[in-house]
Amino acid sequence: AQSVSQHNHHVILSEAASLELGCNYSYGGTVNLFWYVQYPGQHLQLLLKYFSGDPLVKGIKGFEAEFIKSKFSFNLRKPSVQWSDTAEYFCAVNANAAGNKLTFGGGTRVLVKP
Amino acid sequence: SQTIHQWPATLVQPVGSPLSLECTVEGTSNPNLYWYRQAAGRGLQLLFYSVGIGQISSEVPQNLSASRPQDRQFILSSKKLLLSDSGFYLCALHNRGRANTGELFFGEGSRLTVL
Repeated sequence: AQSVSQHNHHVILSEAASLELGCNYSYGGTVNLFWYVQYPGQHLQLLLKYFSGDPLVKGIKGFEAEFIKSKFSFNLRKPSVQWSDTAEYFCAVNANAAGNKLTFGGGTRVLVKP
Repeated sequence: SQTIHQWPATLVQPVGSPLSLECTVEGTSNPNLYWYRQAAGRGLQLLFYSVGIGQISSEVPQNLSASRPQDRQFILSSKKLLLSDSGFYLCALHNRGRANTGELFFGEGSRLTVL
């Protein structure tokens, strides 16, 4: 069965700092990868996704993620965070395209101090 | 555009009482529908998914059940709630018209507290 690990449960940083959130998955076959974000009081929304092609994908609000197949990783990055990036971030993997079932990591709570 | 409505948004129930959480979707037809539970520090756990009316697959054994009486309606139920059923329940959909990429769209969730 597929599983997803997010190594940092909580991250606190100041505005303009760089952010990198780790995500590793366990599945040997073809995967689709996602990062979702949940801002305070809002529903989960898609930040970015990787299906195929260029392993460096760019999402909304200046976020990007790099798929490294050899490391089974899909880390999320943002060069300079803003206070509005305070949210919980979830990595997710779909390794069963027929069922379209996403497996999520435990989430990382990011607090950006103004 | 598609929308997902979850009702109620917040619910406080005593142990042993029944439960019914409703999810209705608009702006799409014949979607796959999902119930996830979100617990602090544990991410989102898939509970049930449905590929059509009356078709329910359970991902984990538990005190809950799901039903899909209509194409755009997905209901999460319990006959007798346990304390451990407390959590934030999210309904999600996948549009079959899109490629099978697994991308899901989520509702705003229902927060259940069992006392």
